[in-house]
Amino acid sequence: GENVEQHPSTLSVQEGDSAVIKCTYSDSASNYFPWYKQELGKRPQLIIDIRSNVGEKKDQRIAVTLNKTAKHFSLHITETQPEDSAVYFCAASRNTGFQKLVFGTGTRLLVSP
Amino acid sequence: GAGVSQSPRYKVAKRGQDVALRCDPISGHVSLFWYQQALGQGPEFLTYFQNEAQLDKSGLPSDRFFAERPEGSVSTLKIQRTQQEDSAVYLCASSPVEDQPQHFGDGTRLSIL
Repeated sequence: GENVEQHPSTLSVQEGDSAVIKCTYSDSASNYFPWYKQELGKRPQLIIDIRSNVGEKKDQRIAVTLNKTAKHFSLHITETQPEDSAVYFCAASRNTGFQKLVFGTGTRLLVSP
Repeated sequence: GAGVSQSPRYKVAKRGQDVALRCDPISGHVSLFWYQQALGQGPEFLTYFQNEAQLDKSGLPSDRFFAERPEGSVSTLKIQRTQQEDSAVYLCASSPVEDQPQHFGDGTRLSIL
């Protein structure tokens, strides 16, 4: 089955710096890669996703890149703000809404003012 | 509200008791997923419904876990003879169609004493 590894487990940056979180996956049939942000005690919220027919996607300060050959994808947050502090999870799936998500172990991002 | 609703938000039970967790998906969403999230970990897949059909239950950890969605909307996850290792947050997610992402509820935090 699919296995998703995520690094780093914790990441501390200063406000305004960039943050990069990396994930690798094992199942070459995976074609959908979402990123979720989870604040303490709250639901995972989708912040960006990418499908395998696209190499990069950007939404304001957030971008995701995908390298299907190497089976890795990354989340890039620019101009970080304290409210970006949360746990971020990457995930992989063979489909979008009709297949289970396999999650990474999470990255705790702390943005210091 | 328009989001996925889960109840109760918190549940404390003694070891050996049975518990039932409820998920109200977004109206009209065809697919419904249950995930288990241990402390400090990413969500792990338990089971998946498409309308009332349970299409994948490969993630259920034992036969003490049972899920149903009899009318294709509300779903219930039941855990019989609870054990301490069942303590976790149980998340429900739903999706409207195949190419749309999963949206999560706030979860039920289950504590087994």
